[in-house]
Amino acid sequence: DADVTQTPRNRITKTGKRIMLECSQTKGHDRMYWYRQDPGLGLRLIYYSFDVKDINKGEISDGYSVSRQAQAKFSLSLESAIPNQTALYFCATSERGDQPQHFGDGTRLSIL
Amino acid sequence: QKEVEQDPGPLSVPEGAIVSLNCTYSNSAFQYFMWYRQYSRKGPELLMYTYSSGNKEDGRFTAQVDKSSKYISLFIRDSQPSDSATYLCASTALYGNKLVFGAGTILRVKS
Repeated sequence: DADVTQTPRNRITKTGKRIMLECSQTKGHDRMYWYRQDPGLGLRLIYYSFDVKDINKGEISDGYSVSRQAQAKFSLSLESAIPNQTALYFCATSERGDQPQHFGDGTRLSIL
Repeated sequence: QKEVEQDPGPLSVPEGAIVSLNCTYSNSAFQYFMWYRQYSRKGPELLMYTYSSGNKEDGRFTAQVDKSSKYISLFIRDSQPSDSATYLCASTALYGNKLVFGAGTILRVKS
């Protein structure tokens, strides 16, 4: 089983819909991250969490919200999806902020 | 200017060639340097992890950091078609809160 699991793997939806992407991990790490990846732009940080009670905005948090339900679970929501949020979304975990991150296999999200 | 710059490629080489992938960074506080490999439809996976300046070797892969010129390199010897992927560099400071990624370089190794 994967250490970092993302669901769904693929999602197509319409503008204005609310969407939730889920991430769970079995690595026992406190830190979890959400990124989006666009061609030519690399990985951009949306939100990150140090623990259940500590959530921080990344460089592109507008239009997104997160919830850390437990140490092992971190979900990303798009309250009202728009087409320019079409991207590949990744969840990652790490033991510390200056340590390597471990990624899930991503959610490919298309907003029509 | 981005904190970590990386040529997006694509870089196309014949099988067996030595590949050199490079990044530059601007933040003098960066102490940890990483290389990730990402195959199509998969998440990035850690390839190399180094601290401060110097070289680190792992099989066909060598990571090199030159802090004086703020230059990070990944060398792949005897490249194989299975090395075809996107390679991302990443850096962070000691006790940093997050990694800063380059945009990734697409590598294609032709058989």
